[in-house]
Amino acid sequence: DVKVTQSSRYLVKRTGEKVFLECVQDMDHENMFWYRQDPGLGLRLIYFSYDVKMKEKGDIPEGYSVSREKKERFSLILESASTNQTSMYLCASSFGGSTNEKLFFGSGTQLSVL
Amino acid sequence: DQQVKQNSPSLSVQEGRISILNCDYTNSMFDYFLWYKKYPAEGPTFLISISSIKDKNEDGRFTVFLNKSAKHLSLHIVPSQPGDSAVYFCAAHVTNTGTASKLTFGTGTRLQVTL
Repeated sequence: DVKVTQSSRYLVKRTGEKVFLECVQDMDHENMFWYRQDPGLGLRLIYFSYDVKMKEKGDIPEGYSVSREKKERFSLILESASTNQTSMYLCASSFGGSTNEKLFFGSGTQLSVL
Repeated sequence: DQQVKQNSPSLSVQEGRISILNCDYTNSMFDYFLWYKKYPAEGPTFLISISSIKDKNEDGRFTVFLNKSAKHLSLHIVPSQPGDSAVYFCAAHVTNTGTASKLTFGTGTRLQVTL
């Protein structure tokens, strides 16, 4: 089974702090994604990566950056956390090179910015 | 601009009856559609998908119907079971042979199956 692991289940940070959310997948997937889930808004794509050191902006990249130095690891960085970044963050991966993009998700990190 | 819409935030169905979850989309370029199921404190898990060249796909108790002219798809669960109680997300994408195809998700429908 594909396993996508997010390093923290819950995080509480202060406004202005730099925040790192880590994600690791164990299936040698090419693609990795960061989404945030908010009530009434569904899942929205922040950034994705289709190869090591490659990244593309999703629909809501403002205030975020990402890093993919190794194939299995994809990090989401909040350079200066703000209260409107309080959300559930979901990492996902997919095999790539396919016409049917089935994503495998981690369990999520609930981030609260105070 | 919400390209994938699930207009019913919640749905309650009795055990054993049919659950019908609806999804509408606006982007005519979407050519692949998926349904995901999410339990609290867990990530979404893939449930069923359908290509735009089909109008129906069935997997056990789950059937997805696609009406391209209406830009509408629906998920039918028959019979509904208490374990089906979860949030269901509809998702769509445009097949991209270059970089990764991005999924666009709907807002979700919370299904509650009552005894």
